[in-house]
Amino acid sequence: DAGITQSPRYKITETGRQVTLMCHQTWSHSYMFWYRQDLGHGLRLIYYSAAADITDKGEVPDGYVVSRSKTENFPLTLESATRSQTSVYFCASSKPGLAGLETQYFGPGTRLLVL
Amino acid sequence: EDQVTQSPEALRLQEGESSSLNCSYTVSGLRGLFWYRQDPGKGPEFLFTLYSAGEEKEKERLKATLTKKESFLHITAPKPEDSATYLCAGPLPGGSYIPTFGRGTSLIVHP
Repeated sequence: DAGITQSPRYKITETGRQVTLMCHQTWSHSYMFWYRQDLGHGLRLIYYSAAADITDKGEVPDGYVVSRSKTENFPLTLESATRSQTSVYFCASSKPGLAGLETQYFGPGTRLLVL
Repeated sequence: EDQVTQSPEALRLQEGESSSLNCSYTVSGLRGLFWYRQDPGKGPEFLFTLYSAGEEKEKERLKATLTKKESFLHITAPKPEDSATYLCAGPLPGGSYIPTFGRGTSLIVHP
């Protein structure tokens, strides 16, 4: 099916472990984004990518690593998970904005619990 | 300082009771203002894009409007199925095309 998918949908891990969240989109959108959503904070941008091999930090990048070797995939890695990284993580994609912002399409989210 | 501020944080309405949600932004030179709807346990879904002051867009019971400093999402005669969190997104300052989100308005419509 076309669209944007995330895996796993739910993940429980322990403090200090490495965790990778996967994101895949089938539209060939050049832009991809990772957000975390927490009560009281709304959606906060972690990292984004304008194209394959081009990534940039968002508002809350500390403790996270991203890569983008292929246009359709944008994995997010927590190198050493901390309890403060317990959150719901959303991936999104969009076309490039020629005259302004473009619509973002969001995945279903990954719920991560760090014990 | 938040670039995009939404109010109220939460809103409870009776079915049929019309109201408006507000999204104010501090960035000059707006390059797009978005409204999304988010249901519990799901990712945000696109509703509207507004680019120019005075622009309006409608979809069923929802109408979005834009001024130079704020946007309103008007909900006319809401139904329980309109219950959701409504998110507003605008651009980051400095000419960025990267959106920043407000914290959302949680809407509950009682039957």
